[in-house]
Amino acid sequence: NAGVTQTPKFQVLKTGQSMTLQCAQDMNHNSMYWYRQDPGMGLRLIYYSASEGTTDKGEVPNGYNVSRLNKREFSLRLESAAPSQTSVYFCASTQLPGLAGEQFFGPGTRLTVL
Amino acid sequence: GDSVTQMEGPVTLSEEAFLTINCTYTATGYPSLFWYVQYPGEGLQLLLKATKADDKGSNKGFEATYRKETTSFHLEKGSVQVSDSAVYFCALTGGSYIPTFGRGTSLIVHP
Repeated sequence: NAGVTQTPKFQVLKTGQSMTLQCAQDMNHNSMYWYRQDPGMGLRLIYYSASEGTTDKGEVPNGYNVSRLNKREFSLRLESAAPSQTSVYFCASTQLPGLAGEQFFGPGTRLTVL
Repeated sequence: GDSVTQMEGPVTLSEEAFLTINCTYTATGYPSLFWYVQYPGEGLQLLLKATKADDKGSNKGFEATYRKETTSFHLEKGSVQVSDSAVYFCALTGGSYIPTFGRGTSLIVHP
């Protein structure tokens, strides 16, 4: 079991460029999440997918789009990157959202936008 | 809405010292409570959890007790090691799909 995998691990973009962050889980989990982590801000939820075929906005969705490609994969797209999107991005999944539902996190993608 | 408040860090300790990281929460109903740990350069991983009042979660020498009367879930360890240096996040899940995380507390343990 690989758990939650993310690609790429590191990325440098120029302002205005686009890119897609990939996330996959092999635990047959129903719900998947994208967070960003910035110094002093903790984790902030960007988007989540409660189940295959559904996606919803989190706390900070502006500038991002997501696709729940199938039950395993949940991608995050930056259409026109901005320096404010420099951050560490984490994907997470859970089998039991809500009570008792621990989250499993990927290793993160470290993104720098110049 | 739900919220989690953690003590601000960094917490700096010498090896073998006693650790407490405070966590209090606000939530409707009866949430489940979690502590996650994040080692440098890695994602978060579950350290321990408790799903009902008075439950004690424990793992790797760390403990936390779900106190509904004080809405708290403080993390403790009797003797910390250098390898415990990390960021610790308190979190809760209630009836929705979205968990609530605290801002994290950095722990630095010196030899």
